Amino acid sequence: GAGVSQTPSNKVTEKGKYVELRCDPISGHTALYWYRQSLGQGPEFLIYFQGTGAADDSGLPNDRFFAVRPEGSVSTLKIQRTERGDSAVYLCASSPGYSGELFFGEGSRLTVL
Amino acid sequence: GENVEQHPSTLSVQEGDSAVIKCTYSDSASNYFPWYKQELGKGPQLIIDIRSNVGEKKDQRIAVTLNKTAKHFSLHITETQPEDSAVYFCAASTGYSTLTFGKGTMLLVSP
Repeated sequence: GAGVSQTPSNKVTEKGKYVELRCDPISGHTALYWYRQSLGQGPEFLIYFQGTGAADDSGLPNDRFFAVRPEGSVSTLKIQRTERGDSAVYLCASSPGYSGELFFGEGSRLTVL
Repeated sequence: GENVEQHPSTLSVQEGDSAVIKCTYSDSASNYFPWYKQELGKGPQLIIDIRSNVGEKKDQRIAVTLNKTAKHFSLHITETQPEDSAVYFCAASTGYSTLTFGKGTMLLVSP
């Protein structure tokens, strides 16, 4: 399809494990965002890429969280030493960069047991 | 940083009634105010947005109003239909920077 694709859609892991979440943005979109959404809450900003570089990573909660976008397209959000509080839906969005509209994927639901 | 407050948290209306959701923001530099609709198991989808040089914008049954002086903006849905049932989020940003979202309003439209 032509939308933002996120994998996996669901991930269950144990406390302390390492997790990678992948995002395939809409082709041609230069801007890519990661948000985290806890139950009953609005999306919370994590990190924003313009091209290959992280233009704003001020939302990453601590150094266990890291994201890359090496070729300016696909992005991976990496979480080390997962904690139960990391359980949430991780949303990826892309934007063509010339408008404010974000196009969201369906999210990756992470559950840390 | 920006803080966006949204209310009510839940809203129940009868089909055909109007629904209004209100948001306030804290950063006077914010100039872009979108509204997103999120259905169960889906990502948020933009339904309407407004920039600070405009006081009101309409798109069929949906309208958004902005009061920059009071730093609040509202979403108005007229002639509601059951398919309007979803969670609605307001958001604010300065230009093309990252969006700060409200906590959402669950709208339930009963037939």
